[in-house]
Amino acid sequence: DAKTTQPPSMDCAEGRAANLPCNHSTISGNEYVYWYRQIHSQGPQYIIHGLKNNETNEMASLIITEDRKSSTLILPHATLRDTAVYYCIVRVREYGGATNKLIFGTGTLLAVQP
Amino acid sequence: GAVVSQHPSRVICKSGTSVKIECRSLDFQATTMFWYRQFPKQSLMLMATSNEGSKATYEQGVEKDKFLINHASLTLSTLTVTSAHPEDSSFYICSARTGGGVINEQFFGPGTRLTVL
Repeated sequence: DAKTTQPPSMDCAEGRAANLPCNHSTISGNEYVYWYRQIHSQGPQYIIHGLKNNETNEMASLIITEDRKSSTLILPHATLRDTAVYYCIVRVREYGGATNKLIFGTGTLLAVQP
Repeated sequence: GAVVSQHPSRVICKSGTSVKIECRSLDFQATTMFWYRQFPKQSLMLMATSNEGSKATYEQGVEKDKFLINHASLTLSTLTVTSAHPEDSSFYICSARTGGGVINEQFFGPGTRLTVL
């Protein structure tokens, strides 16, 4: 069962901010929101995760709505190398448990245009 | 982040032969490793979860006798595709989860492209 919903594709101009939305309306209280990306023919790369507070690291920012039913991944200054499929995944973070697995949906193909 | 390697990166084999893919966590101990498969233009599909020293747990629809998983140490898991056929051609990706304590994160290898002729 899909736990997240993402648009299949988005375009972004190089140098501009890329805002990737994700809906997770059935998220449980102990589930975190994770973002990974996959550049063509490579393994997924971890980007960021959060529970309820907004998070920022060297790669991106994660904005989670107050009701936690949706989130947005922000790449502040997109480059051509950011062209990839971006996956939003919800999962519990504690060790063990059947729901601890990362289950990938279809993701969003972000195409950064020169 | 932690580094996960896979070997080989690419393999071509004849139908009916077996192929072994190695997955190593290079700078951390991984009590749990995961194997995914990805067909062209599709998302990653989880095949199985392996814990060091115990039998792997396979997802529904994945044949355990065809996809043999061995997690012999805290840094190495292997996936053997037995009697491979052209429909097994795919991109196989492993992932290792850091262990110890309550919080754990998951990191992915670069993938292995299997082509069965």
